[in-house]
Amino acid sequence: AQSVSQHNHHVILSEAASLELGCNYSYGGTVNLFWYVQYPGQHLQLLLKYFSGDPLVKGIKGFEAEFIKSKFSFNLRKPSVQWSDTAEYFCAVNGGSGGGADGLTFGKGTHLIIQP
Amino acid sequence: KAGVTQTPRYLIKTRGQQVTLSCSPISGHRSVSWYQQTPGQGLQFLFEYFSETQRNKGNFPGRFSGRQFSNSRSEMNVSTLELGDSALYLCASSLGTSGEQFFGPGTRLTVL
Repeated sequence: AQSVSQHNHHVILSEAASLELGCNYSYGGTVNLFWYVQYPGQHLQLLLKYFSGDPLVKGIKGFEAEFIKSKFSFNLRKPSVQWSDTAEYFCAVNGGSGGGADGLTFGKGTHLIIQP
Repeated sequence: KAGVTQTPRYLIKTRGQQVTLSCSPISGHRSVSWYQQTPGQGLQFLFEYFSETQRNKGNFPGRFSGRQFSNSRSEMNVSTLELGDSALYLCASSLGTSGEQFFGPGTRLTVL
């Protein structure tokens, strides 16, 4: 079965710092990769997604992620964070477990706090 | 376009009871997935429905079941509730079965 690991459970940064959140998944084959964000009091929203093509994908609010197939990784980056980026971030993978319709397998999440 | 809606938003039940949660997907979306979110286990996939058929199921006991209607609305049912079923239950809809999923606000279930 597919599994997703996010390396950092809690991250605290100052405004304008650069951000990189790690995400690795366990199973190869064809996968779809996602980063979701959950702002305080709000529901899960899609930040960005990778299905195929250019492994460097850009999402909303200046976020980007790079898919490295050889490393089974899909790390999230942002060059300069803002206080409003404080949220819970989830990496998710769909597919790669033998075909058929799959639900999303989520990582445990990273709680990001940006200090003004 | 209206988003995914879930009812009720909050629910309190006692052990042994059963509960039914409802989800209305985004108009035109035919796939509905359900997830359980808890502080300890995080987000876990329950099941997915597409065109009224369960296409995939996560690793949950048979007490957890669901169905989808012809208008794509979905319900999930939990029978014989246990304390450990206390969680946020999220519904997500998508156009197809492997695409981007749009999440609802969730139903917060508390089992006493």
